[in-house]
Amino acid sequence: DAGITQSPRYKITETGRQVTLMCHQTWSHSYMFWYRQDLGHGLRLIYYSAAADITDKGEVPDGYVVSRSKTENFPLTLESATRSQTSVYFCATAGGHEQFFGPGTRLTVL
Amino acid sequence: AQSVTQLGSHVSVSEGALVLLRCNYSSSVPPYLFWYVQYPNQGLQLLLKYTTGATLVKGINGFEAEFKKSETSFHLTKPSAHMSDAAEYFCAVRGAGSYQLTFGKGTKLSVIP
Repeated sequence: DAGITQSPRYKITETGRQVTLMCHQTWSHSYMFWYRQDLGHGLRLIYYSAAADITDKGEVPDGYVVSRSKTENFPLTLESATRSQTSVYFCATAGGHEQFFGPGTRLTVL
Repeated sequence: AQSVTQLGSHVSVSEGALVLLRCNYSSSVPPYLFWYVQYPNQGLQLLLKYTTGATLVKGINGFEAEFKKSETSFHLTKPSAHMSDAAEYFCAVRGAGSYQLTFGKGTKLSVIP
């Protein structure tokens, strides 16, 4: 009964490396979201997905790639990490009127 | 397009004092409004929400908020602050018919003993 999980919880990588952040939900919610949280900016939407194989850009999509082959998984890939992508990343699902958030992944790009 | 403005990035109150966190929004469609709380190193947890009906909504931990359409506001209040209320609070808006949330930049609440 985990609900929504993210892995890894902490990640340190180097500039130029590819990194994939995982998000898994057990509710079968159709909508899933990726946000990044930065001091002074609140949460900003990166990508979202309305269903398997349906994804769309949010406010800050550059440098990120998503896929959704199964309803329960929504991975976020940084194809070539940059220092500006150092952030805390949250995955969320939408059920009813509200969104439910995962615990977050703290990513540091050196 | 929607936007949310939270007045004050940091608010300090004494334990037992009134908590008032301000949120103003803009939305071209009837909005759904939310307050989320984030404790250190955790994800966001829903405090309360307004969708339709009664404009005064009650949430968890003694918080409440009032939707005022004429003022485009959704301020969060709690009559008496507790030390455990220290956290960051986010106001968010969603247009009816959309699942996307637009967040404010957050207000960090400190409670002074």
